[in-house]
Amino acid sequence: EIVLTQSPGTLSLSPGDTATLSCRASQSVSSTYLAWYQHRPGQAPRLLIYRISSRATGIPDRFSGSGSGTDFTLTINTLEPEDFAVYYCQQYGTSPITFGQGTRLEIK
Amino acid sequence: QVQLKESGPGLVKPSETLSLNCTVSGGSIRNYYWTWVRQPPGKGLEWIGYISYSGSTNYNPSLQSRVTISVDMSKNQFSLKLTSVTAADTAVYYCARQSQLGMEDSWGQGTLVTVSS
Repeated sequence: EIVLTQSPGTLSLSPGDTATLSCRASQSVSSTYLAWYQHRPGQAPRLLIYRISSRATGIPDRFSGSGSGTDFTLTINTLEPEDFAVYYCQQYGTSPITFGQGTRLEIK
Repeated sequence: QVQLKESGPGLVKPSETLSLNCTVSGGSIRNYYWTWVRQPPGKGLEWIGYISYSGSTNYNPSLQSRVTISVDMSKNQFSLKLTSVTAADTAVYYCARQSQLGMEDSWGQGTLVTVSS
């Protein structure tokens, strides 16, 4: 199975900062099938990005995804208070579908 | 907008079977794949498996021997059964819709299932 390793585990930033989250795959992700989700406590996970860099419906353009092969990045510009949450990457091109262990974005 | 809601017992005894339903509203279960994902306390997300509206399935090999996902088109609902549960199966269980592009684009709020005697 493809193992996704996210870093850092926790990122402490202030509103207005830029967050850069990393996701590294143990092997190349098939057909660019890499997604990012935001997960707030007690809420449903929310799709942010799919196919590495395509924003899901209704997602603000301060969220952007990039990368290729085995290295991927989620960038959040000008952090808003509601952006502080846990973020997961997911590969869905190779079965079994796998998630990274998550990056917690916390207010500094 | 499609909405999903999980339902089922919040407490299951060890060695018994965990059974959950996911009711889909605001859209048809037809023409999509439907997924179960879980999150043990303090841990990340784990994909359990998915089913198509026509009944074809794909399960996580780590759970394959114990898991069954089924679909009931007449109720616009799909279900999860996990047999021989242990404390390690304690988790929040989420149902989700797999979009036609392959990723999960709509999720339920999740339901906590605790395995304990």
